[in-house]
Amino acid sequence: EEQLVESGGGLVKPGGSLRLSCAASGFTISLYTLNWVRQAPGKGLQWVASISSSGEYIYTADSLRGRFTISRDNAKNALYLQMNRLTADDTALYYCTRDLRGAAGSDRWGQGTLVTVSS
Amino acid sequence: EIVMTQSPATLSLSPGERATLSCRASQTVYSHLAWYQQKPGQAPRLLIYDASHRATGIAPRFSGDGSGTDFTLTISSLEPEDFAVYYCEQRAKWPRTFGQGTKVDLK
Repeated sequence: EEQLVESGGGLVKPGGSLRLSCAASGFTISLYTLNWVRQAPGKGLQWVASISSSGEYIYTADSLRGRFTISRDNAKNALYLQMNRLTADDTALYYCTRDLRGAAGSDRWGQGTLVTVSS
Repeated sequence: EIVMTQSPATLSLSPGERATLSCRASQTVYSHLAWYQQKPGQAPRLLIYDASHRATGIAPRFSGDGSGTDFTLTISSLEPEDFAVYYCEQRAKWPRTFGQGTKVDLK
C-alpha cells in the first residue's frame, strides 16, 4: 500500500525551529513531485512548498520563503520541511502530499503532523 | 497570485439530491484545476484533476467541468458519505492556490 507518514510536529515556542519528516512506503518517491500543504485549525488548505522528483526545482510560498525549506532524500524515500523563526500563524496540521505524474493533482496525502507555536 | 473563489460557502442538501459547486479563478488556469474532498478528521482526497478527469477509485457520480476561469464540481446524487468540505486548487501557476472550500451539509 502506498503511504505517506509525517512526523516531527509538536509544541514549539515562538522564534523556535522544527524539522518535519515524511516517510514514504509502497512506492519510490524518486518518480514524483512532493509537497507540503498546511491547514490551520478550522481553516482551509494552504500550499506551503513543492520539490521536483530530482530536487532540482523548488517552489515555496512567498510568505514563507526564507523561513521554510523543503528538501528530499530519494535514497531514504523521505521528504523534509525545515521551519525556522516560527510564529503563532504557523500553527497548523502539516500534510505531506504526492503529485500525480504530470502534477495535475495530489493523489496521496499523509495524515498530517500538528505544529503548535505557543509560549 | 491566482485567487480561487468557491461558491457557495455552504450547500445544504438531502441525500439523493444533486450538488453543484462552483470555483472561479481570478485569471485563467486553463484546465489545470483539481478538486478535493475532506471529511472531518481526515486528510483531503483527490476527486478530479485536469478539471474533468476522475481520480482512481472515484465514483462516477462525481464529475468536473470547465476551463479558463470557471469550473464546476457536480455530485449527481448525494450519498450519505458525500457530506464533506470540497476544495478546488489551481495548478497553472506558482504559487498553487486553493479555494476557501464549500461545505456540503445535511439539510
